[in-house]
Amino acid sequence: DIQMTQSPSSVSASVGDRVTITCRASQGSSTWLAWYQQKPGKAPKLLIFGTSSLQSGVPSRFSGGGSGTDFTLTISSLQPEDFATYYCQQTNSFTFGPGTKVDI
Amino acid sequence: EVQLVQSGTEVKKPGESLKMSCRGSGYSFTDYWIVWVRQMPGKGLEWVGSFYPGDSDTRYSPSFQGQVTISADRSISVAHLQWSSLKASDTAVYYCARKAATAAAGLDVWGQGTTVTVSS
Repeated sequence: DIQMTQSPSSVSASVGDRVTITCRASQGSSTWLAWYQQKPGKAPKLLIFGTSSLQSGVPSRFSGGGSGTDFTLTISSLQPEDFATYYCQQTNSFTFGPGTKVDI
Repeated sequence: EVQLVQSGTEVKKPGESLKMSCRGSGYSFTDYWIVWVRQMPGKGLEWVGSFYPGDSDTRYSPSFQGQVTISADRSISVAHLQWSSLKASDTAVYYCARKAATAAAGLDVWGQGTTVTVSS
């Protein structure tokens, strides 16, 4: 079974900061990655699919990258509405990472 | 409008059965996976299992295999997640989401979630 890890598990940041979250897959063959944002009491929201494709309606300050087993989500300039928990998902196997909380 | 609408909050006792639903509308139900996701209180997202209505392909997370059953009625665009005997540890919010039938696709539409509380 594929296992996903994320780092850091939490990050404290300020408005305007550049934030990068890393996701690592235990296996690297044909890995496609998605990223989700979740706010308390709400369903997750798709940000990035296919490792680097921006979902329609998602601000361009979000970007995804990586290949093989190592992937990143970058928020280029953190906005107040970006404080949330972020999850990666290996979409071939449906497996989620444990999440990264971004707070002040 | 594309949407997934889930059935309402459930309060059950240990040992009881449960069948929750997820109704799709605004798109071709048979062209997308329905994916079930668990979120225990204060915890992260866990993949439960997935169902492809186009050919009834069903996949379960090893953690949930044998614990739940996933099915769907294509004629009314409804997917189900069911338990035959609930445990207190099944207390969680359960989401359904859709995924296009390509490896790179993400879960682009989510239901509102169904809260399940199992307590004696």
